Amino acid sequence: NAGVMQNPRHLVRRRGQEARLRCSPMKGHSHVYWYRQLPEEGLKFMVYLQKENIIDESGMPKERFSAEFPKEGPSILRIQQVVRGDSAAYFCASSPPDKPYEQYFGPGTRLTVT
Amino acid sequence: AQSVTQLDSQVPVFEEAPVELRCNYSSSVSVYLFWYVQYPNQGLQLLLKYLSGSTLVKGINGFEAEFNKSQTSFHLRKPSVHISDTAEYFCAVSERTSGSRLTFGEGTQLTVNP
Repeated sequence: NAGVMQNPRHLVRRRGQEARLRCSPMKGHSHVYWYRQLPEEGLKFMVYLQKENIIDESGMPKERFSAEFPKEGPSILRIQQVVRGDSAAYFCASSPPDKPYEQYFGPGTRLTVT
Repeated sequence: AQSVTQLDSQVPVFEEAPVELRCNYSSSVSVYLFWYVQYPNQGLQLLLKYLSGSTLVKGINGFEAEFNKSQTSFHLRKPSVHISDTAEYFCAVSERTSGSRLTFGEGTQLTVNP
């Protein structure tokens, strides 16, 4: 059973460009969570999605950030017009529908904005 | 809202010594409690979780943690550490009612020296 997959593992973008981060949950998991880890800090919740629904986006910055989890395909975290402060590790987690507290994490995407 | 405080940012120990990583939390509602481990440039791996029942929880790699409701603590312990235990350890909580978003502490870097 493959774990949570994230790609790319490393992403370099120049200021003003767009970043797209992908997450494929574990088989059988329909809930996806995105967390951000800034340098020397713990993980901070960003958004919680189920298929075609955003359940909780209270941790998402108000501008430039969006997330989706379509019926088919991976979940996407999109950052428009990136700035240096967006440089961080972005982790995706997934859980089975009946156990949202049982989250399995992917290896993360490390975004560097130059 | 919840918050998690990990009282030590760095814990250096010698191999085969016991270790305790401290975690305190604050919440107005009942919570689930977790410990995760993160090896360099990797995602988070669940070490153990407390959902209900016995307050002493055993996890992987010989770790255990004890939930103390009166002190709102969930300290992680291992009686004898190995070099391979060197990693960042994160304590986390989630609300029992929703069980979804995890709130993490700032992390404790455990370094095991020969």
